[in-house]
Amino acid sequence: NAGVTQTPKFQVLKTGQSMTLQCAQDMNHNSMYWYRQDPGMGLRLIYYSASEGTTDKGEVPNGYNVSRLNKREFSLRLESAAPSQTSVYFCASSESDYNQPQHFGDGTRLSIL
Amino acid sequence: AQSVAQPEDQVNVAEGNPLTVKCTYSVSGNPYLFWYVQYPNRGLQFLLKYITGDNLVKGSYGFEAEFNKSQTSFHLKKPSALVSDSALYFCAVRPSGYSTLTFGKGTMLLVSP
Repeated sequence: NAGVTQTPKFQVLKTGQSMTLQCAQDMNHNSMYWYRQDPGMGLRLIYYSASEGTTDKGEVPNGYNVSRLNKREFSLRLESAAPSQTSVYFCASSESDYNQPQHFGDGTRLSIL
Repeated sequence: AQSVAQPEDQVNVAEGNPLTVKCTYSVSGNPYLFWYVQYPNRGLQFLLKYITGDNLVKGSYGFEAEFNKSQTSFHLKKPSALVSDSALYFCAVRPSGYSTLTFGKGTMLLVSP
């Protein structure tokens, strides 16, 4: 049972470089999410996709773009990375019933120098 | 706007003793409340949720939580702590009518042998 798979697991970028974080789920979930986790800040929602073909901004969308490629895949792109985007990024998915739990990947640890 | 407060950055408890991890929330309307646990270098895992009904909710690994509407609290409890319970715990709320979760900043639980 793979669940939610994120690639890569680790990445180091230089300021100004671009990068796409990949996320795929095999649970046939309609909803997918991208979060960032910073020490003392908890998890903050960047973008989410309630269903294939739709995306919406979360709490901290600036500097990011997303693509819901199909029902399984939801990617997060940093067009011009900044040191403030150094963080651990988590992808999650859930059923359309928002009272069902979200299932998380193991994260991408991103450092921007 | 909704918010979740976890007033303790860290909780220390001896193995075999009861544990409590505190969570209070602020939302308009009915709250839907969740607890998640995060082990090192892993994504979040769902523990339990309160949607409606009985105020005492039982979840995974022997954890339970009590919803208290008058105190706007949803504290996580376990009668007898295990060293393996040591992890980072997150409380989250989804207000009625919203499709996304707001997470607290997390509480590190350390259980000593």
